[in-house]
Amino acid sequence: SAVISQKPSRDICQRGTSLTIQCQVDSQVTMMFWYRQQPGQSLTLIATANQGSEATYESGFVIDKFPISRPNLTFSTLTVSNMSPEDSSIYLCSVKDRGSYNEQFFGPGTRLTVL
Amino acid sequence: AQTVTQSQPEMSVQEAETVTLSCTYDTSESDYYLFWYKQPPSRQMILVIRQEAYKQQNATENRFSVNFQKAAKSFSLKISDSQLGDAAMYFCAYRSPGTASKLTFGTGTRLQVTL
Repeated sequence: SAVISQKPSRDICQRGTSLTIQCQVDSQVTMMFWYRQQPGQSLTLIATANQGSEATYESGFVIDKFPISRPNLTFSTLTVSNMSPEDSSIYLCSVKDRGSYNEQFFGPGTRLTVL
Repeated sequence: AQTVTQSQPEMSVQEAETVTLSCTYDTSESDYYLFWYKQPPSRQMILVIRQEAYKQQNATENRFSVNFQKAAKSFSLKISDSQLGDAAMYFCAYRSPGTASKLTFGTGTRLQVTL
């Protein structure tokens, strides 16, 4: 399975600022995803990061708030913009491994606290 | 749209005993994939087991097995010989076939393992 790392692992930010989260995979993958997990909740898909094109956002999530980049097949970033306390969550990067049909793997997550 | 329901917010099991976590789902598709993920306090999501809907045989991975009842749209996870390290949140997830399909998660079941 793919090995996924995320930076930072956690951060505490002031409202109104932005944070960029990085996701690095140790192999080329076809699909990368960004999820949000609010405290005590399940995972909600924010968007699919498409290599070389704009990300595909789920209902309730917009590019201005969560801009995503995917410059190549092993790397993606998610920015949480103009943060408010409601953005305090764990943000998880996930990939679909080319070698594991229909299995999806997750990074360790970034715990974000907005004050 | 598919939905996944986990009706047990919390479960408890004694070490070395067996526990079953419930999951039901709603879909009109005949072909799909089902997964159980484990999220320990470290928050790393770990794939526990998967089941393809076209397979009648229940999947098994060491101490973890599933009871897949396609007609009843039920997908329960059985953990045998429970260990302290099994304590975690367990999420049931559904995916349609196709490379662009996404995971739909249930709300999770928190499993406690006692001595």
